[in-house]
Amino acid sequence: EPEVTQTPSHQVTQMGQEVILRCVPISNHLYFYWYRQILGQKVEFLVSFYNNEISEKSEIFDDQFSVERPDGSNFTLKIRSTKLEDSAMYFCASQQFGESSDGYTFGSGTRLTVV
Amino acid sequence: DAKTTQPNSMESNEEEPVHLPCNHSTISGTDYIHWYRQLPSQGPEYVIHGLTSNVNNRMASLAIAEDRKSSTLILHRATLRDAAVYYCILRDIQGAQKLVFGQGTRLTINP
Repeated sequence: EPEVTQTPSHQVTQMGQEVILRCVPISNHLYFYWYRQILGQKVEFLVSFYNNEISEKSEIFDDQFSVERPDGSNFTLKIRSTKLEDSAMYFCASQQFGESSDGYTFGSGTRLTVV
Repeated sequence: DAKTTQPNSMESNEEEPVHLPCNHSTISGTDYIHWYRQLPSQGPEYVIHGLTSNVNNRMASLAIAEDRKSSTLILHRATLRDAAVYYCILRDIQGAQKLVFGQGTRLTINP
């Protein structure tokens, strides 16, 4: 069964450093998403991406965050200057057609720890 | 997206059926009912969705009340691997593409 692949599985970074989280969505999917989950809390939407541009973003997704699909297969989330509160599990997801009846496929996540 | 209400936790025994309820009294006629689950240390996983009629797939069944104000996810024969947090989410056919997760129901399966 097709999978969404995320790397690395765990990243530790110093506060103030830049991090890039990588995702390979399912190849024929057109809609891409990042979500995050702080330990013990809900899964929160960050951003959706379609046709090489952001289609929606949450309040969390401020100027420190950016997304890119650099080569037609990878989908990346960059955090420019990490803060302690950015420590969370980050999940990438993809969806084939972006319709309300479509299911999402999520990756297994990257655990980001900011020290 | 309209709001859903689920019990915080439920417990069941292995190889028994499990019925996970969800109330969505403010559902609109264009809302799909989706269920996802999140196994420990994993990303959410799509389980099933429906609009008006009951639905079955290899993972579960979804029973939708006639007035659509509630639904029930049915796991016919629970295994230990079904221990997870189960989320009931409404998605408007014309709404935003994002999923809005609540707290879900934490399902514990006893051996």
